[in-house]
Amino acid sequence: GENVEQHPSTLSVQEGDSAVIKCTYSDSASNYFPWYKQELGKGPQLIIDIRSNVGEKKDQRIAVTLNKTAKHFSLHITETQPEDSAVYFCAASKGYNNDMRFGAGTRLTVKP
Amino acid sequence: GAGVSQSPSNKVTEKGKDVELRCDPISGHTALYWYRQSLGQGLEFLIYFQGNSAPDKSGLPSDRFSAERTGGSVSTLTIQRTQQEDSAVYLCASSLDDSPLHFGNGTRLTVT
Repeated sequence: GENVEQHPSTLSVQEGDSAVIKCTYSDSASNYFPWYKQELGKGPQLIIDIRSNVGEKKDQRIAVTLNKTAKHFSLHITETQPEDSAVYFCAASKGYNNDMRFGAGTRLTVKP
Repeated sequence: GAGVSQSPSNKVTEKGKDVELRCDPISGHTALYWYRQSLGQGLEFLIYFQGNSAPDKSGLPSDRFSAERTGGSVSTLTIQRTQQEDSAVYLCASSLDDSPLHFGNGTRLTVT
């Protein structure tokens, strides 16, 4: 089955700097890659997603890139703010939610 | 509108007791999922309900775990004879078919 690895497990940046979180997946048939943000005491919330027919997607300060050949995808957050502090999860699926597999998460801390 | 609602938000139980966790999905969402989130781990898929189809129980870790979804809406996850390793946050999510997942805030289960 699909295996998703996520790095780093923790990331600390200064406010205003950029943050990058990377994930690799094992199943070349995976074609949908969402990113979730989980704040303390809350459930994960979808922040951006990308499908395999697209190499990059951007939404304001966040962007996701996908390299299908290398089977890795990354989340980029620019101009980080303290409210970006949370745990971020990547995931991969073959288009069906019941086969979605999640990475172990990255705890991002943005220092004011 | 109302999101996915889970209750209780916290549950402390003694080893060997049974527990029931409840999930109210977003109205009209046909698909419902249960995940388990252990400390420092990613989200582990447990079970998936889609409409009137037979549930996908492939993620349930043992026969002590079961779930049902009544009337295509509310779901209950039951853990019998709880063990300390069952301590985790149990997350419920719902979606329209295979559209993005909407998560509840979870139930934090502690088995003493």
